[in-house]
Parts: sequence; structure tokens; C-alpha cells
Amino acid sequence: AQSVTQLGSHVSVSEGALVLLRCNYSSSVPPYLFWYVQYPNQGLQLLLKYTTGATLVKGINGFEAEFKKSETSFHLTKPSAHMSDAAEYFCAVSSSGGYQKVTFGTGTKLQVIP
Amino acid sequence: DAGVTQSPTHLIKTRGQQVTLRCSPKSGHDTVSWYQQALGQGPQFIFQYYEEEERQRGNFPDRFSGHQFPNYSSELNVNALLLGDSALYLCASTFRGRSSGNTIYFGEGSWLTVV
Repeated sequence: AQSVTQLGSHVSVSEGALVLLRCNYSSSVPPYLFWYVQYPNQGLQLLLKYTTGATLVKGINGFEAEFKKSETSFHLTKPSAHMSDAAEYFCAVSSSGGYQKVTFGTGTKLQVIP
Repeated sequence: DAGVTQSPTHLIKTRGQQVTLRCSPKSGHDTVSWYQQALGQGPQFIFQYYEEEERQRGNFPDRFSGHQFPNYSSELNVNALLLGDSALYLCASTFRGRSSGNTIYFGEGSWLTVV
């Protein structure tokens, strides 16, 4: 069984400040981990993913995340927030293999204050 | 190269009715999954189709059924609609090849409102 816990349903940061969105996972097998972003009234866009190899993963729009097995965490960061980053972010986990069922967290809504 | 396309984008149905949602996977993809995203929630896995068969199923009642066609496109059918079925229905596609970790692509979704 797999699960994801996102800490904080709402996060507010000032424009230019560090963005940190927290995600902890539970998985009985080596996990594949994802962060997706969803803008209002739109579908999901993949920001980044971890499968194997390097634990620091860089994604689009300046986001990155670090896989920490000992902490079962996969937190999302961005050094400097932009107004355009305001959206909902979902952390997700799946098992390896081409037929992945993805389990999502409940989401964190990011607000960027000018 | 078109991504995952879904239709219709929005629809309104009455309780007890039936609805069919459609999905065309990204070119080269052979596996289609459906997710339900209720307002304020994360997407929940409904089921997955590969080689025209349902391969995995989430915790959804039999009112939710699907189909995959030889061209890999898929339909999601929901019978006897309930108010609680109002949600964004997302289709996702991937290639179930030998290489693991294939990226999953999502469509823009179909917004279903049940009144």
C-alpha cells in the first residue's frame, strides 16, 4: 500500500521568498515520486519526478525536490517565488513499472503575496 | 504531437442518469488510467486499461465502468449518477513498455456536475 501526506493545505509566501512544500510518503516498495501542479480549472502538469539515481531532482519553472529515504520525504522547493507560481501542488507516489497507479496527496495551495 | 485529449470538457447531468466520458491518449501511449478529483481533493484512481482490459481498479463501485478500444482510446461510463459523483474526471496515459518510470501525462479533464 502507498500513501502520501502533504503538510499544510495552504502555504503563503512573499514574492521572492523561498518556497517549501512538504511531502512525506509511505510505500512498501521502492517508490517513484512526483510533484504535479494544477492551475485553476486546468489539469495536472508534471513538475518533476524521482525514479532512481540522483536524489536531488530538478524540474520545470525552477523547482526542485530531494528524495530522502531515511526521512521518507520528498519536499518541493524553489529559491524565489513568482506570482505565477500561485497554484495547487500535489505530491504523488507510485510503484515502479510501466503500469503505474498513482496515489496523490490532498494538495497544498500556494499563495504568493506581492 | 497532441497530448492527452478529453471530451466533453464540461457537462451537467441529472441524478440517476448515465454519462460517458472519452479520452484519447498521447501518441505512442498504450495505457490509460482514469482519476476522479472532487473539489478540494487530490485525484483518486478509478481504474486502468491496457490491451483493452481493465488491469487495476481503485475503490469505486461497479457503477463506474470503462472500455479501451483497439486504437488505445478509452471511455469512462458512470451509471445511476449521484450528487457525489460531481467532480473533475482526469484521464492519464503512459507507455507500458519494458522501461520503467515512464512519464504519465494527464489531460485537462472533464468537469461533471450532477444536479
